[in-house]
Amino acid sequence: DGGITQSPKYLFRKEGQNVTLSCEQNLNHDAMYWYRQDPGQGLRLIYYSQIVNDFQKGDIAEGYSVSREKKESFPLTVTSAQKNPTAFYLCASSIGGPRGDTQYFGPGTRLTVL
Amino acid sequence: AQSVTQPDIHITVSEGASLELRCNYSYGATPYLFWYVQSPGQGLQLLLKYFSGDTLVQGIKGFEAEFKRSQSSFNLRKPSVHWSDAAEYFCAVRLTGGGNKLTFGTGTQLKVEL
Repeated sequence: DGGITQSPKYLFRKEGQNVTLSCEQNLNHDAMYWYRQDPGQGLRLIYYSQIVNDFQKGDIAEGYSVSREKKESFPLTVTSAQKNPTAFYLCASSIGGPRGDTQYFGPGTRLTVL
Repeated sequence: AQSVTQPDIHITVSEGASLELRCNYSYGATPYLFWYVQSPGQGLQLLLKYFSGDTLVQGIKGFEAEFKRSQSSFNLRKPSVHWSDAAEYFCAVRLTGGGNKLTFGTGTQLKVEL
């Protein structure tokens, strides 16, 4: 089945630790995205990548880092510099290109900082 | 600045009643428009989208939305709500020719009374 997988579903982190969230897609999509979701604030874009080995900052990139070494993978690292990392993180992908079409979402990872 | 407004944070309807969820956007030109639904702890599922053409768009699960350029609105409707429609609904917009960046509204939580 084609789709987007995110792992783990739940993640707990101690303050001061970096943690990496996984996102994999087998839809052969060029573009991938990371969003952060907080109650009452909708989704906010952290980073996005239109093509392998290239990515751009979104609206709230501070304290996060990404890589795009493979077309199917777009891991997100939440660093210790992120002041309030507890949130629900969603990965998405789309065909890409100037028209871009629709973004499809993974099931999400809930990160809790203890 | 570009923005998307969902003025209703919570809506409660009785099962079998009709539903309308409001979405207004603020952009200089007609954007691409989307409605997504999210069940608790899950990712987002696309309900429908508008790119161009007929302003009344049909989606999955019996939902439809109407684009009204004069009102900068893209309201979601369903003639008869089912208990399984209880979820959070997000409106999103993307600029035409503006890459793939989506801007989301803050969501409307739908509760269905039996």
